[in-house]
Amino acid sequence: GENVEQHPSTLSVQEGDSAVIKCTYSDSASNYFPWYKQELGKRPQLIIDIRSNVGEKKDQRIAVTLNKTAKHFSLHITETQPEDSAVYFCAASAGLRVGGSQGNLIFGKGTKLSVKP
Amino acid sequence: NAGVTQTPKFRILKIGQSMTLQCAQDMNHNYMYWYRQDPGMGLKLIYYSVGAGITDKGEVPNGYNVSRSTTEDFPLRLELAAPSQTSVYFCASWREIIAGGFSYNEQFFGPGTRLTVL
Repeated sequence: GENVEQHPSTLSVQEGDSAVIKCTYSDSASNYFPWYKQELGKRPQLIIDIRSNVGEKKDQRIAVTLNKTAKHFSLHITETQPEDSAVYFCAASAGLRVGGSQGNLIFGKGTKLSVKP
Repeated sequence: NAGVTQTPKFRILKIGQSMTLQCAQDMNHNYMYWYRQDPGMGLKLIYYSVGAGITDKGEVPNGYNVSRSTTEDFPLRLELAAPSQTSVYFCASWREIIAGGFSYNEQFFGPGTRLTVL
């Protein structure tokens, strides 16, 4: 089955710096890769996702890149702000269908990002 | 819209007891999911549903059951609670939006139910 590994487990940056979190996956059939942000004691939030037919996607200060050959994908946050401090989770699924369900998502263990003012 | 709602927020069960975690959404989403999150870990999918009357197992379905009699409701049932089921449970809905030749996804999580089995 799918296995998702996420690195680093903790990341501390200065406000204004960039942060990069990387994930690798094992199932070459995986076709959907979302990223979630979870603040302490809160519910997860879907912040960006990418499908396997796209190499990069950007939404304001966040971007995700996908390398299918190497089976890894990364989250990039630029101009970090203290409110970016949270745990970030990557996930992968081989079950995404157009107009259908996201499938059986397998999650990484998370990266705790701390942005120091 | 209330979004995704879950009840109860907290619950303590004794080993062997049963309970149902309630989940409802008012956005008319077809796709709904139950996840559990153990301390310091990511989410694990328990069960999901692609529409009323259709459910399927996720990564960790043992010890749980679900039903989807309506689009709005997706309850999760624990029949014989065990300490290993101590976790935070999140219900979620998901939809794909296709507009102007582009598609994007929305996912909404409920506030979670913190369950302790002693």
